[in-house]
Amino acid sequence: TQLLEQSPQFLSIQEGENLTVYCNSSSVFSSLQWYRQEPGEGPVLLVTVVTGGEVKKLKRLTFQFGDARKDSSLHITAAQPGDTGLYLCAALTESNYQLIWGAGTKLIIKP
Amino acid sequence: IAGITQAPTSQILAAGRRMTLRCTQDMRHNAMYWYRQDLGLGLRLIHYSNTAGTTGKGEVPDGYSVSRANTDDFPLTLASAVPSQTSVYFCASSRTSGSGYNEQFFGPGTRLTVL
Repeated sequence: TQLLEQSPQFLSIQEGENLTVYCNSSSVFSSLQWYRQEPGEGPVLLVTVVTGGEVKKLKRLTFQFGDARKDSSLHITAAQPGDTGLYLCAALTESNYQLIWGAGTKLIIKP
Repeated sequence: IAGITQAPTSQILAAGRRMTLRCTQDMRHNAMYWYRQDLGLGLRLIHYSNTAGTTGKGEVPDGYSVSRANTDDFPLTLASAVPSQTSVYFCASSRTSGSGYNEQFFGPGTRLTVL
């Protein structure tokens, strides 16, 4: 069974602080996506990473795909209350081309 | 543009009853998906459809069935609901399937409680 483990499960920090959340697996994936989900809504795609070692930036968010394509991280600089939400990683399996999902990191940014 | 709509928004259902969750997309996407989201378990794929007329089983298909008669609609049916099917159900679509660049677009979800 291919699993995506996200850590931490929950993170509550003050506005202005930096943070990193992780998405790890023992399996190799062809690509990995990060989504953000707000309460009462469905997830919304933030980024897709495909190449091992790839780094993508989206304003204050930096996404990295591990060299071996087994893990990924999301770093937020100077977090703001608007960053509050559930961050989900999802990876495309090479066997049946379906996305598998991590359980998510619930992030709360306090003003 | 509505994107993906789901109905109902929420439902309380007696165990043993039959229930169909509706999902419609207006983006002409080929692929559609049904997920359930439970606290601490993330999103789990129930069934999917790569194109109209075809369906496939996901990670947790037991107790659920789907049909894909046309491109736009992808209903999910619980033939005889059980309490373990209490969850939030999300329908999603993507332009195609099997590509890492494909973004999945999600509906707002249906919160189902089976008593």
